[in-house]
Amino acid sequence: GNSVTQMEGPVTLSEEAFLTINCTYTATGYPSLFWYVQYPGEGLQLLLKATKADDKGSNKGFEATYRKETTSFHLEKGSVQVSDSAVYFCALLPNAGNMLTFGGGTRLMVKP
Amino acid sequence: DTGVSQDPRHKITKRGQNVTFRCDPISEHNRLYWYRQTLGQGPEFLTYFQNEAQLEKSRLLSDRFSAERPKGSFSTLEIQRTEQGDSAMYLCASSQGDRTHYTFGSGTRLTVV
Repeated sequence: GNSVTQMEGPVTLSEEAFLTINCTYTATGYPSLFWYVQYPGEGLQLLLKATKADDKGSNKGFEATYRKETTSFHLEKGSVQVSDSAVYFCALLPNAGNMLTFGGGTRLMVKP
Repeated sequence: DTGVSQDPRHKITKRGQNVTFRCDPISEHNRLYWYRQTLGQGPEFLTYFQNEAQLEKSRLLSDRFSAERPKGSFSTLEIQRTEQGDSAMYLCASSQGDRTHYTFGSGTRLTVV
């Protein structure tokens, strides 16, 4: 079946540090890949997505590239801010289905 | 476009009681999804509607769970005879057209005591 594995947190960084959160997946074919962000007490917000191999999704300074050869979709940001503190979820949507499969989430804490 | 609305935001219930949650999707979104998120975990798929038809159900959706979407608009998720293991955040999402464009609601947090 489909699965998503992401690095365990928490990840603690100082403001303006470089961020990488690793995400790898298992799926047949060419799924669409997503990063969602969840702030305390809130639902999920789509951060970025990529729907085919070698696509780069980007939003608010975050980027992730769909790497089919390594089945990865790592999230990066060049300079984090305190306001980026949240839980980040990697997810996949199969190319012939409607069910998102999520990773376990990675908590990011950014200190001033 | 007011987004996906879920009601209530929080629900505390005693074990064995029945609870019902409501989700109002974005207007005219024909697809509606329910997910469950336990503490410290990623969301898990429960069920999916296209219009009023329930097309997919997860094995997580035991006989105590039932979901409906009458008239293809709002949806309800009912849990009968609640158990402590049902304590979780229940998330609703909807989409239309591009199926990769999900919009999630803020969720209903259920606590079973």
